[in-house]
Amino acid sequence: QAVLTQPSSLSASPGASASLTCTLHSGINVGAYRIYWYQHKPGSPPQYLLNYKSDSNKQQGSGVPSRFSGSKDASANAAILLISGLQSEDEADYYCMIWYSTAWVFGGGTKLTVL
Amino acid sequence: EVQLVESGGGLVQPGGSLRLSCAASGFTFGNYWMSWVRQAPGKGLEWVANIKQDGSEKNCVDSVKGRFTISRDNAKNSLYLQMNSLRVEDTAVYYCARDDGGALNSWGQGTLVTVSS
Repeated sequence: QAVLTQPSSLSASPGASASLTCTLHSGINVGAYRIYWYQHKPGSPPQYLLNYKSDSNKQQGSGVPSRFSGSKDASANAAILLISGLQSEDEADYYCMIWYSTAWVFGGGTKLTVL
Repeated sequence: EVQLVESGGGLVQPGGSLRLSCAASGFTFGNYWMSWVRQAPGKGLEWVANIKQDGSEKNCVDSVKGRFTISRDNAKNSLYLQMNSLRVEDTAVYYCARDDGGALNSWGQGTLVTVSS
């Protein structure tokens, strides 16, 4: 089982909201980790979006719109990236990341299609 | 403006070596951890290695241990990745990134490494 598991794809309509999940390995507790989120579009380097530990302990990346936000679902042992008011330019691959056992670990990524 | 410019990529045969460089500007290089991240064709992002501000601490992913070495020269504002015993599966675009406690908040454009006979 991978450390971080993300659905490979997700589709949503312009103006709608999209919840991208990042499920942690059953042996590690999402509550203990700060989760980092990145957006990656073809032909460009990845862009840091935000990190989330708790509602009182989170940081937005510089210039990242507030319609990108993070949360956790403890019952599912998962982190969530919520994108509200979807725009066509939000179409990209999204990756979660944590620091685990002396290494940064990325999830496999979710390809978000806005159509 | 923060700028990171990678160089040194290219085509190399399996078992060969390459040294990647990353030239940094627009910030005080010696104040930040730095990371290398790669993306193989059609695959996701994979963190490769990072190095502490003074070079005293380094970490890397298991798949490159014993083959890749990360280093830096703060006087030259430069980050390096020495890659030895290269394998086909090391083929990827390699990015350097400023590592601000996990917020890899600045990235270079990447350099392509192709390992093939």
